[in-house]
Amino acid sequence: GENVEQHPSTLSVQEGDSAVIKCTYSDSASNYFPWYKQELGKRPQLIIDIRSNVGEKKDQRIAVTLNKTAKHFSLHITETQPEDSAVYFCAATYSGGGADGLTFGKGTHLIIQP
Amino acid sequence: NAGVTQTPKFQVLKTGQSMTLQCAQDMNHNSMYWYRQDPGMGLRLIYYSASEGTTDKGEVPNGYNVSRLNKREFSLRLESAAPSQTSVYFCASSLPAGGYSSEAFFGQGTRLTVV
Repeated sequence: GENVEQHPSTLSVQEGDSAVIKCTYSDSASNYFPWYKQELGKRPQLIIDIRSNVGEKKDQRIAVTLNKTAKHFSLHITETQPEDSAVYFCAATYSGGGADGLTFGKGTHLIIQP
Repeated sequence: NAGVTQTPKFQVLKTGQSMTLQCAQDMNHNSMYWYRQDPGMGLRLIYYSASEGTTDKGEVPNGYNVSRLNKREFSLRLESAAPSQTSVYFCASSLPAGGYSSEAFFGQGTRLTVV
C-alpha cells in the first residue's frame, strides 16, 4: 500500500516569513495529493490539493508543488500569519474510480512566532 | 446544511464493552470513510464505503466493523473495546467526480477512551 512521509514534524517560523513542509509518497500510481489544516480540537479541513497532471497550484499565500519523478510534493505558505498556526497533514491516494481512502502523513505542527 | 455529523462527541468505555459510532452526511456524497487519529500518527483509514451496500477495509480494520445503512449514514462498531482503541475517530465523506478523488469533508470527531 501507499506510504507517506512528512517532514518536519515541528516547524517554527517568524511571522511574515515563509514556511515549507515536504512529503514523499511511495506508490507511483497515486494521482491526488491534498493538504489539510487542523486547528487544536477541530476537524481537518482541506486547504489546497493537486492532481498528478499538474506541477504547481497556488491559492493566495498557499502553493503546492508536485514532482512525480521524485515522488514528492511540498506545501509553501508565504507571509505567515498567527492564524496559520496549526497542524498540517499531507495525503495521497490513487483514484481509479469509486471511493479510495487517503493515506496521510504524520503531520507538521506549524508555530508562528510573533 | 450540517455537512458531516458524528455522534457521540465523547465516550468512555470499559474494556470488553461494545458501542457504535454514528455518522451522517447531508451533502449527497457517494463515498464515506472512518479514520482514527492518534498522537504523532496522523489519520489512519479504518474502513471506507464507495457507495450504499459496499464497504472495504483500510489500513487498520482489526477490531472494527462498519455498516453503510444508506447513502447518508455510515456507522462504525467496536464489538469488544480494547485500550488500544482509545483514539479520536473521524468520519468523512466525498463525492468522486468522473472517477477522481475530491475533497473529503470531516465530521467533528468522537473522542473515545477505553479503560
